[in-house]
Amino acid sequence: DAGVIQSPRHEVTEMGQEVTLRCKPISGHDYLFWYRQTMMRGLELLIYFNNNVPIDDSGMPEDRFSAKMPNASFSTLKIQPSEPRDSAVYFCASSAGLAGLTDTQYFGPGTRLTVL
Amino acid sequence: QQPVQSPQAVILREGEDAVINCSSSKALYSVHWYRQKHGEAPVFLMILLKGGEQKGHEKISASFNEKKQQSSLYLTASQLSYSGTYFCGTGATNDYKLSFGAGTTVTVRA
Repeated sequence: DAGVIQSPRHEVTEMGQEVTLRCKPISGHDYLFWYRQTMMRGLELLIYFNNNVPIDDSGMPEDRFSAKMPNASFSTLKIQPSEPRDSAVYFCASSAGLAGLTDTQYFGPGTRLTVL
Repeated sequence: QQPVQSPQAVILREGEDAVINCSSSKALYSVHWYRQKHGEAPVFLMILLKGGEQKGHEKISASFNEKKQQSSLYLTASQLSYSGTYFCGTGATNDYKLSFGAGTTVTVRA
């Protein structure tokens, strides 16, 4: 298996622009997670999906952030408009079951976002 | 609420041992350990479950004290490849999302 795939790997944009991050989970995994990692706040869960349905988006920082999962093999995280404080590494992860219980989360390589 | 990891950083020479601790204020169902190298994604090391079951595939061991909501990761006879930042992720009994600690940076020197 190719593992979790994310694109782009690096994104540099200007404040106010729309940013779309993409993720393809491991085939057969029912759960998909979006995380943000910064030096100040560490690894934060933004939102997670179960069978393409958003279950918990309490970690989404503001209305500027939105996430979708139109099918089992694709998810997007969109920031509109972007701000410099959104600069971070965004990870997508997937698991076969609910990771907080018994299953391993597999992380993608991440997207390093820089907002100027 | 994030679990608390200690120490924040540790420097070892090859062959030395270290212990990384992770504690939570919540009743835990599981503890997951990951290692992240600079510029890379976190990589799964081990999962410890309430009741004592343990799953892992590396030569790194861990323990889980359910009563104290604490876990410890043991790096034994460290190798250069053990360098990286170690994160614990905790799954609480009533909230099955993983919460990650701030990380412990381990540097192993020759």
